[in-house]
Amino acid sequence: TQLLEQSPQFLSIQEGENLTVYCNSSSVFSSLQWYRQEPGEGPVLLVTVVTGGEVKKLKRLTFQFGDARKDSSLHITAAQPGDTGLYLCAGAGLRGSARQLTFGSGTQLTVLP
Amino acid sequence: AAGVIQSPRHLIKEKRETATLKCYPIPRHDTVYWYQQGPGQDPQFLISFYEKMQSDKGSIPDRFSAQQFSDYHSELNMSSLELGDSALYFCASRPENTGELFFGEGSRLTVL
Repeated sequence: TQLLEQSPQFLSIQEGENLTVYCNSSSVFSSLQWYRQEPGEGPVLLVTVVTGGEVKKLKRLTFQFGDARKDSSLHITAAQPGDTGLYLCAGAGLRGSARQLTFGSGTQLTVLP
Repeated sequence: AAGVIQSPRHLIKEKRETATLKCYPIPRHDTVYWYQQGPGQDPQFLISFYEKMQSDKGSIPDRFSAQQFSDYHSELNMSSLELGDSALYFCASRPENTGELFFGEGSRLTVL
């Protein structure tokens, strides 16, 4: 079983602050995705990282995949209230279950105006 | 662009009743997944289908079953419902050769 641990579990910050969310595993993943979910809605894909060490930017969001493809981070610069939501990382297995995603435990972010 | 469509969006059932959820994946996506998400929890994988055949099985109770039909839509059948089955049930589809899932808006099941 490939487990993904996210930290922190809860994060409440003021508008304009920066933050980083971490996603860690002892297993190697072929790719890793980050999703954002709002209450009562399905998770929405933000980004997919595939190559170890890869860095992707999406406006104020920066995603990094660890060199060993076991961990990832999401950094948000100058957070806004619209960034509020549940952030989930999800890893795709290397073989066999490559079509199955393992979700992290999630980080509930609240950005206060 | 077409998205994953789930129905019904909300469903209220009593204990020991049966419920059926439907999922219509994005056209030309070859894999369908079902996830269960309890309050404050991350999505838990239930089952998936690849080209209409069951491909992976997760923590799906024996009381639940699912299938994918010739038109690629999928149905999740839940019998002998228990209070603990109350949750959001998400369907997701995945195009060939990518790891990205596209989720529907979910079906909220409430068991009274």
